[in-house]
Amino acid sequence: QSALTQPASVSGSPGQSVTISCTGTDNDVGRYNSVSWYQQHPGKAPKLLISDVRNRPSGVSDRFSGSKSGNTASLTISGLQAEDEADYYCNSYTSSTYVFGTGTAVTVL
Amino acid sequence: EVQLLQSGGGLVPPGGSLRLSCAASGFTFSSYAMTWVRQAPGKGLEWVSGITSSGASDYYTGSVKGRFTVSRDNSKDTLYLQISSLSADDTGIYYCARVLDLHAPGSFHRSAFDYWGQGALVTVSS
Repeated sequence: QSALTQPASVSGSPGQSVTISCTGTDNDVGRYNSVSWYQQHPGKAPKLLISDVRNRPSGVSDRFSGSKSGNTASLTISGLQAEDEADYYCNSYTSSTYVFGTGTAVTVL
Repeated sequence: EVQLLQSGGGLVPPGGSLRLSCAASGFTFSSYAMTWVRQAPGKGLEWVSGITSSGASDYYTGSVKGRFTVSRDNSKDTLYLQISSLSADDTGIYYCARVLDLHAPGSFHRSAFDYWGQGALVTVSS
């Protein structure tokens, strides 16, 4: 199972919006609405941001939103803040296993 | 408060074995599927293994099948990962995580991972 494809890095100024793409195949992202997104700060465990493409768990800022079209899912961070600087990973369910994306480093300029 | 406290990491020689543990508290452990995710140094996340709430079914990524075994003891609220025939490629931080029961109680499938342990470092080296 190959990792889902994400851009290596994205950047934006405080207050701007950035979007991270996550491209899979017909067997994972394209087949299931079971795409989740995780934020990971250096030296920390990942944190769940989005489940089922677009659902935010309680306590997650509404500045984070998810969507999907075909084989590509996206995470948008609105109103970028310094604390958003971190690595972000998508994940998809696929036939009794899961696959993560390659990861995207978000830099706040 | 949901907590997952990991233990068992360490230095192991190539070909060696290790057992990782993940002690759960703050929720009904026997009602949730659980999973293991690892991260090689400076690399991304890799899903490794998962197990249903009852322990009746387990799942693995291809590269660890036959070498890793996930299990759980619901009487002790603890998840385990037995890792063996280790190589340098298995070096990394191993995280346990709870599987969110989005669609069916205790289900492993079509879900997300909502609470994570602090991680356990496994270093394979002679």
